[in-house]
Amino acid sequence: AQSVTQLGSHVSVSEGALVLLRCNYSSSVPPYLFWYVQYPNQGLQLLLKYTTGATLVKGINGFEAEFKKSETSFHLTKPSAHMSDAAEYFCAVSVTAGNKLTFGGGTRVLVKP
Amino acid sequence: EPEVTQTPSHQVTQMGQEVILRCVPISNHLYFYWYRQILGQKVEFLVSFYNNEISEKSEIFDDQFSVERPDGSNFTLKIRSTKLEDSAMYFCASSGDPETLNTGELFFGEGSRLTVL
Repeated sequence: AQSVTQLGSHVSVSEGALVLLRCNYSSSVPPYLFWYVQYPNQGLQLLLKYTTGATLVKGINGFEAEFKKSETSFHLTKPSAHMSDAAEYFCAVSVTAGNKLTFGGGTRVLVKP
Repeated sequence: EPEVTQTPSHQVTQMGQEVILRCVPISNHLYFYWYRQILGQKVEFLVSFYNNEISEKSEIFDDQFSVERPDGSNFTLKIRSTKLEDSAMYFCASSGDPETLNTGELFFGEGSRLTVL
């Protein structure tokens, strides 16, 4: 069975500062990894995904994540935070297409002016 | 762009009442899912559905829950006798179109907020 751990339920960053959200996973087979974003009172929107190939994945809104197999990690970063990045971010893992996603606990990002 | 749609966006019901949440998945998708998110908590898997039958369900998905695909477009979640602890946001998702089948990506609806009084 797969699982996801997100370190830090809340992160506060200043506008223009680096955003770093941590995600570690466990999976018995090579995983598919995802980051979803949830803005207040909205659904889940895909930010980026890793399936195979290049381990550095670029997504929407300037976010990127790097798959590190040796560390079982898939941390999300953005070089410069914007006020519009305030949202909750969920890391998720799947083991094959058509399989369920297992989500981490989420990290709520607050951006200070 | 195709999207998953859910109705109602918000439903308030009395404890013990039956509730049906409706979803229209993306038309050429093959896999369908329900998730729930209790306020302030993580997104939890309830059930997945493929080829007109449940393919996997979690321990949350007990006998009070059922899913159905009554026609070619709708995918419903029924809660037979609601409890206070069923209050949550329920998300429908679909996946499996030819382009994204190999990526495992799920496409989510905006959610249906259920409040049980």
